[in-house]
Amino acid sequence: EVQLVQSGAEVKKPGESLKISCEGFGFTFSTYWIVWVRQMPGKGLEWMGTVYPRDSDTIYNPSFQGQVTISADKSATTAWLQWSSLSASDTAVYYCARGWEGLGNAYDIWGQGTAVIVSS
Amino acid sequence: AIQMTQSPSSLSASVGDRVTITCRASQAIRHDVGWYQQKPGKAPKLLVYSASNLQSGVPSRFSGSGSGTDFTLTISSLQPDDFATYYCLQDYTYPFTFGQGTKLEI
Repeated sequence: EVQLVQSGAEVKKPGESLKISCEGFGFTFSTYWIVWVRQMPGKGLEWMGTVYPRDSDTIYNPSFQGQVTISADKSATTAWLQWSSLSASDTAVYYCARGWEGLGNAYDIWGQGTAVIVSS
Repeated sequence: AIQMTQSPSSLSASVGDRVTITCRASQAIRHDVGWYQQKPGKAPKLLVYSASNLQSGVPSRFSGSGSGTDFTLTISSLQPDDFATYYCLQDYTYPFTFGQGTKLEI
């Protein structure tokens, strides 16, 4: 089955670091763009950035550049989103999804989401 | 970044109604828009790509249209399962940007 499986929910304190994952199954991971999308509580979807696992090409939304790091390992069929120092405003659900040119860059497969709670 | 202005932000409708949701881009983006449905606590689901192409498995009551700056998602006859929040996404240029969402309520 084609799917993206994300790591589990996290509860962290401000200032702590975090790395969440998104593992692909059932498709050639290296040939799809993997995007990260943020959804803050009760709010809409925000496009954070994307990575192409074949060559690790990474594109960030300027709004998130420098705040997070997006990476991927094609052999592990896994992408990651990481923070070096969390703040309360990072509390959100984070989704990964795959995109490809065959669908006009649309995102057809989504992970189940990873909830991140940052609280002292 | 390209802004996607989606309207209405909320919409009250009944089963069987025809509803239309619109997105306007701040600049021309060809036909590079997708539409997504999201239910509470769930990941978004792709409905339409490249403005008017129905994703595999999506019911034919959903349709998309538009090009340039103005795009619409139409549901021809609302079903109980359609009450959700809908988002447009421009995938023309980075950073891709979502509309603010339309919450479709009974």
